[in-house]
Amino acid sequence: GESVGLHLPTLSVQEGDNSIINCAYSNSASDYFIWYKQESGKGPQFIIDIRSNMDKRQGQRVTVLLNKTVKHLSLQIAATQPGDSAVYFCVRGGADGLTFGKGTHLIIQP
Amino acid sequence: SAVISQKPSRDICQRGTSLTIQCQVDSQVTMMFWYRQQPGQSLTLIATANQGSEATYESGFVIDKFPISRPNLTFSTLTVSNMSPEDSSIYLCSVGPGGGGETQYFGPGTRLLVL
Repeated sequence: GESVGLHLPTLSVQEGDNSIINCAYSNSASDYFIWYKQESGKGPQFIIDIRSNMDKRQGQRVTVLLNKTVKHLSLQIAATQPGDSAVYFCVRGGADGLTFGKGTHLIIQP
Repeated sequence: SAVISQKPSRDICQRGTSLTIQCQVDSQVTMMFWYRQQPGQSLTLIATANQGSEATYESGFVIDKFPISRPNLTFSTLTVSNMSPEDSSIYLCSVGPGGGGETQYFGPGTRLLVL
């Protein structure tokens, strides 16, 4: 069946460094991906999305890269700040709704 | 994006009782969804709340345990019935414009602890 998985449950980075959170998926037909950020005690917050006809999409301090050949996508956060500390989910969107990955907890070290 | 609120934000309940969670949106939306997030886990879709008809439940979730109402395009409720400690989770509602596979926006969640 379909799966969306993150490579690491926890990622620790220094404040000011760039963060890269990786995600792999299994369904070649997947055509839409979303990254969500969930801070402690809050609901998931939309960060950025990308469709399969794109390789890259940029937002404010964030970039999502999609490599369909190896079924991999990543979320890059530039100049990581304390407010970036959260659990990040990569999510596949499809006809059967949203499929959430397990999440990576991003920890910011001062 | 829509502003979504949930009530209560958290509750502690005794086993065997039921709790109704409310989800209010500040604008009319086509699709409303209910998710469960068990401690330290990812989100699992419980059901799609359909306006004017019965909710559509995912595998493993049944109407008797999780009855859902959707009386209009801005409001829905989820009831967790006959609770047990295994129902301790965060319950989240979300809204989306289309068939569920597009971006959804989430409420703040209801944190439920069953003793």
